[in-house]
Amino acid sequence: QVQLQESGPGLVKPSETLSLTCAVSGYSISSGYYWGWIRQPPGKGLEWIGSIYHSGSTYYNPSLKSRVTISVDTSKNQFSLKLSSVTAADTAVYYCARHTTMVNYWGQGTLVTVSS
Amino acid sequence: DIQMTQSPSSLSASVGDRVTITCQASQDISNYLNWYQQKPGKAPKLLIYDASNLETGVPSRFSGSGSGTDFTFTISSLQPEDIATYYCQQYDNPALTFGGGTKVEIK
Repeated sequence: QVQLQESGPGLVKPSETLSLTCAVSGYSISSGYYWGWIRQPPGKGLEWIGSIYHSGSTYYNPSLKSRVTISVDTSKNQFSLKLSSVTAADTAVYYCARHTTMVNYWGQGTLVTVSS
Repeated sequence: DIQMTQSPSSLSASVGDRVTITCQASQDISNYLNWYQQKPGKAPKLLIYDASNLETGVPSRFSGSGSGTDFTFTISSLQPEDIATYYCQQYDNPALTFGGGTKVEIK
């Protein structure tokens, strides 16, 4: 059974960098699929942030591209998100996910609040 | 970028009613269209993939249709446990774009 679990600070100050990690169990990241991050501001819809392919290639939402870095640590079977220069608009539940043309595995989500 | 327009944004229906949600893509996306159900505090759950295929374990009252730019999601007989927000999602190798969501409530 594939499982994904997000971890990281729940509170980040404005202008700082948001950092989250997704630990994957039940499947080796290096074996295939895209591994991505999706966020959902409180009471709003879903926004794809970006994904990393099992080969290491990265793809980002153009609206966030200048601030986003996604990386993978195959030795720990986890991948990470860094979002720089955050503002209150980045407050959201952040989900990690495994996807192809569809998302068939999601993490439970972690709320990150941007506030001083 | 491909935009997804989902409607309505909310609806209220009675138990047993047929419920229909539409999603329109800004350009031809073939059948790369999926539907998810999200309940409060939970991650979305895949219901329909590739426009019309029912995910394993999903009740048959859920269905999807369409291709190209226009897609439809249907609940044939609304049940109390179907109260949720539903999202369409398109795939643009490998970007994912979601519709704005439809909140379904019981009348």
